[in-house]
Amino acid sequence: DTGVSQDPRHKITKRGQNVTFRCDPISEHNRLYWYRQTLGQGPEFLTYFQNEAQLEKSRLLSDRFSAERPKGSFSTLEIQRTEQGDSAMYLCASSKKAGTSGRYEQYFGPGTRLTVT
Amino acid sequence: KNQVEQSPQSLIILEGKNCTLQCNYTVSPFSNLRWYKQDTGRGPVSLTIMTFSENTKSNGRYTATLDADTKQSSLHITASQLSDSASYICVVSPNAGNMLTFGGGTRLMVKP
Repeated sequence: DTGVSQDPRHKITKRGQNVTFRCDPISEHNRLYWYRQTLGQGPEFLTYFQNEAQLEKSRLLSDRFSAERPKGSFSTLEIQRTEQGDSAMYLCASSKKAGTSGRYEQYFGPGTRLTVT
Repeated sequence: KNQVEQSPQSLIILEGKNCTLQCNYTVSPFSNLRWYKQDTGRGPVSLTIMTFSENTKSNGRYTATLDADTKQSSLHITASQLSDSASYICVVSPNAGNMLTFGGGTRLMVKP
């Protein structure tokens, strides 16, 4: 396993269309995170899963956004009725509990760059 | 509101020179602070992670320092290389690792 993978790497869509991104985490990582990053800014947390359960969602995650992790492995992030403001890099990360420290080190995928025209 | 502020926003240095990037945070409670390197168009890659009890941590030519009292951290890059050109992001976590708060990053360019 070489790391977190995301598909597609780039997506161009017209305003109003729906898009879906996929994230495959590192094997055995039980936690999976989605972030959004706009140009020149740091990533912003969107949501995270522990196994198949979605445990936390940011206020950034509007009703047009939905994320799933049906079998506790890969995850999908869908954006409905895309708007130009949705143009950003969508990053996925995964982690597992690190021994006695209790710390979860997050490993990031390469991201999906979305452009809404 | 928990915030992480980084300075400078961008920096240009000559190959072989040293540089120091700064990070101030207001995140509370505080669990750990991380520095990530992000190449253009790629996901962030972890460089160092420190808890409040650690003052310094090194990873090759990268040395991070942390002052939990003043809520400041720095990342020092020694003998810079062209491949160091990237964004360096300071990330603070109030717990064991979920709700990360990211700084805006410092964009470093190393010129020959």
